[in-house]
Amino acid sequence: EPEVTQTPSHQVTQMGQEVILRCVPISNHLYFYWYRQILGQKVEFLVSFYNNEISEKSEIFDDQFSVERPDGSNFTLKIRSTKLEDSAMYFCASGVDRGDQETQYFGPGTRLLVL
Amino acid sequence: AQSVTQLGSHVSVSEGALVLLRCNYSSSVPPYLFWYVQYPNQGLQLLLKYTSAATLVKGINGFEAEFKKSETSFHLTKPSAHMSDAAEYFCAVSSSSNTGKLIFGQGTTLQVKP
Repeated sequence: EPEVTQTPSHQVTQMGQEVILRCVPISNHLYFYWYRQILGQKVEFLVSFYNNEISEKSEIFDDQFSVERPDGSNFTLKIRSTKLEDSAMYFCASGVDRGDQETQYFGPGTRLLVL
Repeated sequence: AQSVTQLGSHVSVSEGALVLLRCNYSSSVPPYLFWYVQYPNQGLQLLLKYTSAATLVKGINGFEAEFKKSETSFHLTKPSAHMSDAAEYFCAVSSSSNTGKLIFGQGTTLQVKP
């Protein structure tokens, strides 16, 4: 069964460093999402991406964040200068249609720790 | 704006007992509602979803949920808990924005005692 994959599973970085979190969505999916979950808190929406552009972003998704689908298969989330408060589990999700029409399939997550 | 509230961050049941995980939503438009499960060290897996076709929705692993508009609830139930049901459960509502982003509740950790 096709699944969403994410790498790395864990990442430790120093404050101020850039990190890139990678996701490979399911191959025929067109809608892509990033969510994050700070320890002990809700899963929060960060950004949605469709047709090679951001379709919606949350207040969290400031200028330090960017997303890219560089080669038609990978979907990346970049944090330019990490802060302590960026420590969280980051989930990628994809769907063949919008999340209110079709199921969003989630990856296993990348646990990011900023020191 | 839509929101989801899950009552009880931790629920503990004995094996074989009824599982009831509570979810209430707030939405200004007819909602699409979801329950996801997260097993340790794994991603979020869809258990079931409500998309207005039927108020009682059956999902995987014997779970079901009933949409009650009058109570703005979408509680998750399973008649008989298995040890393998121990996990974290998330209720979510899809946004009325045209991206279909999901808005999640806080999550409920289900513990199943032998």
